[in-house]
Amino acid sequence: NAGVTQTPKFQVLKTGQSMTLQCAQDMNHNSMYWYRQDPGMGLRLIYYSASEGTTDKGEVPNGYNVSRLNKREFSLRLESAAPSQTSVYFCASIAAITDTQYFGPGTRLTVL
Amino acid sequence: RKEVEQDPGPFNVPEGATVAFNCTYSNSASQSFFWYRQDCRKEPKLLMSVYSSGNEDGRFTAQLNRASQYISLLIRDSKLSDSATYLCVVKDNAGNMLTFGGGTRLMVKP
Repeated sequence: NAGVTQTPKFQVLKTGQSMTLQCAQDMNHNSMYWYRQDPGMGLRLIYYSASEGTTDKGEVPNGYNVSRLNKREFSLRLESAAPSQTSVYFCASIAAITDTQYFGPGTRLTVL
Repeated sequence: RKEVEQDPGPFNVPEGATVAFNCTYSNSASQSFFWYRQDCRKEPKLLMSVYSSGNEDGRFTAQLNRASQYISLLIRDSKLSDSATYLCVVKDNAGNMLTFGGGTRLMVKP
């Protein structure tokens, strides 16, 4: 039982490049989330997916797209990276009964 | 005004001290409340849920005051290993979104 996994762990991009952050969970959770964490800002919700086939915008969705590929996987895409997207990105899923959120180890992204 | 507010600290305390953090939330319809712990350069992990009647887990006690819209976390007999950032988390009653406070940093010194 790996919990929530994310790839890659680290990434450096140039402005304008694109990339996809991958996330998978093996806990059979319906809801999955993407957050970014910046110093002094706490965790901010980018997008979430309440169930397979649905996605909704969070607090800071601009510049990002998501795909809920199946119940296990939820990916985050940056189409044209900007320096303002330099951050730590966390994927999470939630256990419906307890509302406990489980996080992946994070992706540290730097956009030059 | 932020939806969930915390004093960022840092709180610098000696080992064995008792320390308390507060967190205020703005949405009176909030349904569920949690404290998460985040170690440096790691992901957040659930420390404890916060129940209306208050709850205790070893050295940790969480309280909820719905009338004043705040939750608290009390840590007794602080250990060096308690050094971390503590995140206050609130879930609304409308759906699946959780809102995180900015975190309170605790540093326990020998």
